[in-house]
Amino acid sequence: ETGVTQTPRHLVMGMTNKKSLKCEQHLGHNAMYWYKQSAKKPLELMFVYNFKEQTENNSVPSRFSPECPNSSHLFLHLHTLQPEDSALYLCASSQDVTGEQFFGPGTRLTVL
Amino acid sequence: GQSLEQPSEVTAVEGAIVQINCTYQTSGFYGLSWYQQHDGGAPTFLSYNALDGLEETGRFSSFLSRSDSYGYLLLQELQMKDSASYFCAVAGNTGKLIFGQGTTLQVKP
Repeated sequence: ETGVTQTPRHLVMGMTNKKSLKCEQHLGHNAMYWYKQSAKKPLELMFVYNFKEQTENNSVPSRFSPECPNSSHLFLHLHTLQPEDSALYLCASSQDVTGEQFFGPGTRLTVL
Repeated sequence: GQSLEQPSEVTAVEGAIVQINCTYQTSGFYGLSWYQQHDGGAPTFLSYNALDGLEETGRFSSFLSRSDSYGYLLLQELQMKDSASYFCAVAGNTGKLIFGQGTTLQVKP
């Protein structure tokens, strides 16, 4: 247990569905992140929130929409995804944006 | 831009010592981190070097040479459970961690 939880752990959705991924951290950290990890590829940073403000959008398509209502919660809203979006989506948090990151267990997403 | 290079695969036997190298190019430099990820699991933090030299934590050590833009992770007394992917990561001026492609370590009996 790293203090970062993610739900759901597995998600299968069609291309026309709308779903949301949830991340919660119990560490009192100020920064939260969404990463995408596809097979045989490095971790790809998607979004960074620092003190609830989005500081990074790494050229992510608009079908991915993040939301950070407070410093403990982070959501990733998904709509009209493509099969190539199937991947492991990892949430992480850290005390500051250059420090050690604590990762959640991830959501394994499959888009049919 | 920022980039990191590390070998894609390393194989070693139980009880051996293995070194995983990482070279980086970054605008500004705050530190070099190492993460371990078992198959199907999430990355977990192993070590962090901000200054030159060797940091030791049990069987794992990490080294940094800022002048060479180079670091390595040293794993001693290898165990089967050490089979995993190992990622180096650098924080630069962009204020975010950039991860390398990962090195898959296979430990054989």
